[in-house]
Amino acid sequence: AQSVTQPDIHITVSEGASLELRCNYSYGATPYLFWYVQSPGQGLQLLLKYFSGDTLVQGIKGFEAEFKRSQSSFNLRKPSVHWSDAAEYFCAVGAGGNLIFGKGTKLSVKP
Amino acid sequence: DTEVTQTPKHLVMGMTNKKSLKCEQHMGHRAMYWYKQKAKKPPELMFVYSYEKLSINESVPSRFSPECPNSSLLNLHLHALQPEDSALYLCASSQSGPGQKTETQYFGPGTRLLVL
Repeated sequence: AQSVTQPDIHITVSEGASLELRCNYSYGATPYLFWYVQSPGQGLQLLLKYFSGDTLVQGIKGFEAEFKRSQSSFNLRKPSVHWSDAAEYFCAVGAGGNLIFGKGTKLSVKP
Repeated sequence: DTEVTQTPKHLVMGMTNKKSLKCEQHMGHRAMYWYKQKAKKPPELMFVYSYEKLSINESVPSRFSPECPNSSLLNLHLHALQPEDSALYLCASSQSGPGQKTETQYFGPGTRLLVL
């Protein structure tokens, strides 16, 4: 069965520090992978997606993610976090045209 | 432009009320989705419309009734809701909908619903 695991429920980083959010997926075929961000009380904003090709994907707001098939991972990274990055981050895999979401990782940013 | 709009932003309703949520997109997308999201949880798919036809209903109770009047509009009619239905209701759209290939879904800002 398809599934997405985000092992970290809550991460706190200092402003200016680097960030890595983990995502592991289980899917039989070639996965379509997404990262969304959700600020409190808001909708989901697409950060980036991977369908095929280059395994390092660039997104908006300075985020990038790397697809590693051997590790079934699609981790999200940012070299320098800003206070405005504090939000909930969801990894998702496309399955039969629909999205299967991970449980999310809440990011807090310390000044 | 990847904008999906939703109205109202907030809604408070009693258990005997009838209300509707509205979603609109002008990206030419032919698939539209309703999700329900409880606090600190990921979105859960409720309904999918593809080419204005209901293609997926994830066993949602009949007190939720979706409607797709045209390819740009999606409504969710609410009647006799329960307090546990209080949640953020998200609308999304994609190019053509569920199939072999997954497409990018673009989400609206949501309607925060409180049922008293």
